[in-house]
Amino acid sequence: DAGITQSPRHKVTETGTPVTLRCHQTENHRYMYWYRQDPGHGLRLIHYSYGVKDTDKGEVSDGYSVSRSKTEDFLLTLESATSSQTSVYFCAITEFPGQNTGELFFGEGSRLTVL
Amino acid sequence: GIQVEQSPPDLILQEGANSTLRCNFSDSVNNLQWFHQNPWGQLINLFYIPSGTKQNGRLSATTVATERYSLLYISSSQTTDSGVYFCAVHSGGGADGLTFGKGTHLIIQP
Repeated sequence: DAGITQSPRHKVTETGTPVTLRCHQTENHRYMYWYRQDPGHGLRLIHYSYGVKDTDKGEVSDGYSVSRSKTEDFLLTLESATSSQTSVYFCAITEFPGQNTGELFFGEGSRLTVL
Repeated sequence: GIQVEQSPPDLILQEGANSTLRCNFSDSVNNLQWFHQNPWGQLINLFYIPSGTKQNGRLSATTVATERYSLLYISSSQTTDSGVYFCAVHSGGGADGLTFGKGTHLIIQP
């Protein structure tokens, strides 16, 4: 199994509070991703990183920011959580996106509830 | 961006039955994966298959890249096969992640 750890695994917070989710990998993979999963939508890309301090937006990036100061850690921050950000968040990693070795591996998910 | 459509959206079968899940995509791809999300929410890699055919036990997958579709076959279904099956693709040379279909929700009844 790919070494991917997400924390916290479960969190309940109130509207307007800041929230940070952490993804930690032990595989030394260059590429890391944050997805959210909602009923009826499958998984949608929030942000991704292609190296330390190199990040870019995905399909649903509004209201989220990310940071990657070390290869192994990718943080997702909700500056001011809203109820629409209640979701399950998945971190994923890959070595080579879009190439023959670009298999994507997922963490176990973080369930966030914003009241 | 690339569009991914999976069918059927829901499937209910008896234990022992066979099934075929389909994934259609709107553009050429250089990465296609099938995942199984179990009832506990874990996403498990089944196949990395941008083209060709692969088999792993009771599961097999075929991708016909020129016709822009992939099929996942499950034979002799077991209750543990229940869950949601996702197809995900990547197109082009960027580092952006896979685009997911909405999944097929499979229920295997004993």
